Amino acid sequence: NAGVTQTPKFQVLKTGQSMTLQCAQDMNHEYMSWYRQDPGMGLRLIHYSVGAGITDQGEVPNGYNVSRSTTEDFPLRLLSAAPSQTSVYFCASKSHLEETQYFGPGTRLLVL
Amino acid sequence: GEDVEQSLFLSVREGDSSVINCTYTDSSSTYLYWYKQEPGAGLQLLTYIFSNMDMKQDQRLTVLLNKKDKHLSLRIADTQTGDSAIYFCAETLYSSASKIIFGSGTRLSIRP
Repeated sequence: NAGVTQTPKFQVLKTGQSMTLQCAQDMNHEYMSWYRQDPGMGLRLIHYSVGAGITDQGEVPNGYNVSRSTTEDFPLRLLSAAPSQTSVYFCASKSHLEETQYFGPGTRLLVL
Repeated sequence: GEDVEQSLFLSVREGDSSVINCTYTDSSSTYLYWYKQEPGAGLQLLTYIFSNMDMKQDQRLTVLLNKKDKHLSLRIADTQTGDSAIYFCAETLYSSASKIIFGSGTRLSIRP
């Protein structure tokens, strides 16, 4: 098992550019989530999904879109990047049968 | 509302016990978690406690839950340099088992 993988590891964008952060898991987990981590603010939930075809908003969804066409993949799209979206982004997955949430290694994003 | 609060820093002498505290506001919490994040890494689940329990012990880790005061603590016995990390308190709610709400994290540093 590769667990939860995220690509890219690092990305620099200019304001207004778009990009997709990729997240995949090979554990057949139903739940997947995206968080952003900013200094002194912990992790904030952006969007989450309880299964393929189902997504919902978290605490800070504005400026981000998600889709869940397969169980394995949960991409996060920035349609028009802003400097306020400079952050470290973590994807996570969880089975509904257990309490452990597995985190990916993170994507560090800088928006200039 | 959903809110999880922690102090930002804790400094402990090597070999002493560390106690990291957390308060939460939502009384419908079902599970409460402690995660550890080492520099440049994702989050790793350390332990969790179900909301109808008062205490859970796992080797050097002791979790205490005071449901009346909505207070959660993590005690690390015999703190070692490898325990240096950021520790996050988190909760899931009865109403939405797939959402995990995180605190801002406590940075634990170890003095020789």
